[in-house]
Amino acid sequence: AQSVAQPEDQVNVAEGNPLTVKCTYSVSGNPYLFWYVQYPNRGLQFLLKYITGDNLVKGSYGFEAEFNKSQTSFHLKKPSALVSDSALYFCAVRDKGYSSASKIIFGSGTRLSIRP
Amino acid sequence: SQTIHQWPATLVQPVGSPLSLECTVEGTSNPNLYWYRQAAGRGLQLLFYSVGIGQISSEVPQNLSASRPQDRQFILSSKKLLLSDSGFYLCAWSYTNPKNIQYFGAGTRLSVL
Repeated sequence: AQSVAQPEDQVNVAEGNPLTVKCTYSVSGNPYLFWYVQYPNRGLQFLLKYITGDNLVKGSYGFEAEFNKSQTSFHLKKPSALVSDSALYFCAVRDKGYSSASKIIFGSGTRLSIRP
Repeated sequence: SQTIHQWPATLVQPVGSPLSLECTVEGTSNPNLYWYRQAAGRGLQLLFYSVGIGQISSEVPQNLSASRPQDRQFILSSKKLLLSDSGFYLCAWSYTNPKNIQYFGAGTRLSVL
């Protein structure tokens, strides 16, 4: 069965510093990987995805993520954090070989807090 | 362009009362549709998904049901709400291709008192 883990409940970073939000996954085949962001009392917004190709994926708001097959990781990164990046971040995974609907599994979420 | 509408935004209901949350999608046809519940602002639990009219798959046994009476309409219901049904309910849609992302509605905050 596929699964995804976000080992950190909260990440605290000073504005202007680089940030990393960790994600590891487990699937039976090759994965589709996604990052979403959620602001308070709102739905999730898509940030970026990895399907195939270049391991470094660039997304919205200056975020990027690196797919590492050997470590089964897909960490979210940003070179310079902004206070407005403070939100709840979700990693998600889908097995390419999964035969059902486009059903993806979400991690438990990591709360990112950027201090001025 | 495609949009997803979910209402109401906030709902306060007494225990034992019925529930109906509605979600509609515009600008696309035959989408996959999903209902999620988010407890305490953290992880998402997939409740139901649908790949077509009248086709509903339930992920967890619970006090809720879902229906898809029209191609772009997805309804979450309960005959009698429980305290444990409180939470933030999110509707989402996606194209059928598994490479595609899910697009989320703004959510409904349900408080059962």
